[in-house]
Formats: sequence, C-alpha cells, structure tokens
Amino acid sequence: DTEVTQTPKHLVMGMTNKKSLKCEQHMGHRAMYWYKQKAKKPPELMFVYSYEKLSINESVPSRFSPECPNSSLLNLHLHALQPEDSALYLCASRPVGQGGRSYNSPLHFGNGTRLTVT
Amino acid sequence: LAKTTQPISMDSYEGQEVNITCSHNNIATNDYITWYQQFPSQGPRFIIQGYKTKVTNEVASLFIPADRKSSTLSLPRVSLSDTAVYYCLVGASNTGTASKLTFGTGTRLQVTL
Repeated sequence: DTEVTQTPKHLVMGMTNKKSLKCEQHMGHRAMYWYKQKAKKPPELMFVYSYEKLSINESVPSRFSPECPNSSLLNLHLHALQPEDSALYLCASRPVGQGGRSYNSPLHFGNGTRLTVT
Repeated sequence: LAKTTQPISMDSYEGQEVNITCSHNNIATNDYITWYQQFPSQGPRFIIQGYKTKVTNEVASLFIPADRKSSTLSLPRVSLSDTAVYYCLVGASNTGTASKLTFGTGTRLQVTL
C-alpha cells in the first residue's frame, strides 16, 4: 500500500472519449507531480504543481489537462488521446520548503493508472 | 539539471553484494542524490538519499565521493525480491517551490539463485 492513492488502477478508453485520472494524498505535501511511463522506459515528467498552482509543464500536448482543486487532490483530464498515449501514469508528491529554506525530501509515488487507448 | 548515467542492466546471484554506480558530472551545489527502486506495474519507491560521503539505512548504503560527480548504491546480500529497476535522481533543493525531478535510464537488476 502507498500513501498516494491513484484511481482507477486500469482504464481503457477510445480516442473520442473523455476521462479523468485521480490522485490523492493526505500527507500535507504541497508539491504534486504527474509522470508518464512507457514499458521498459523511465518515468517521464509531465506536470508539477506547487501550492495548487501549475509550476512546470514539460510541453505536454493539450489533450492532457491537469487540475489541482485542493492541496490533497490532483487530476489529469484526458480527451482525444492517441494509441501512443497508452502508458502507466504515475502521480507523486513531496513537501515543499518554506521561507526560502532549502528542503529536500523524496518523492512519494502512487502505483499508477494503467491507461490503454484503443 | 544534472543528467545521470547508469549501467542499463546488471546480474547478480542471491546473497552477493551489488554496487550500482551513477554518474552525474554536472551536479549543482544544492543537489541531493536520491535512489529509487521500481517493480513492474508499481510506482518507484524511495531507497536512500545523500549529499556527500556515506549514508546507510536498513536496506542500502550510498557512497558519494568528495567531488560528488558520481554515487554508488550498495545493496548487501541481495535476494530474488531485489530484482527491480533502480533509478538515481539528482534534484535541485526546494526553496519555496516544487522542483523538477527527472529520471535517468535506470539499471535493471536481475538476481538469480
């Protein structure tokens, strides 16, 4: 079990569907991340939220739309995906330093959503 | 961002010590070095983190030379359950905002009897 919960575990969607992936954590972490991982490849950073604001977008296509409605929840809205978008989507969180103080803490990952686009 | 380089794969027998080296030649002053373990269809799991010299916890040791341009993860007496992919990350420290953390290629460790 992990402290970062991702739902659903598996998702199959057609190219015209709209779906959402959900990520939740209650550790008080104010930085949340979306990664995409293809088979036998490392996780690839997509988005980073800091204090519920989008701080990093790694030039991800607009068919992926992230949302951070509160400090515990992170969503990834999917629309008009392509078969090559099939992958494991991982959410992670970590604390954020405050007051300019350097702070390092490891990422806490969920177990991902296995997405298949048909 | 400091780019990391690791061996693509390693093989070991059960009970042996395994050392996986990561190269990060352009590591910045504030960067920490963090290692993760990932099993198939699971998220990566934190193993160990360090800044310099040696760090040890209940599962691994991390050796970092004085120039910090590389690091070595040491797994004592591996078992079959240590078969996984191991990633070395070099990340900027947080200073009030979330920082970018990018994975390298990782090392696929296969442990056999």
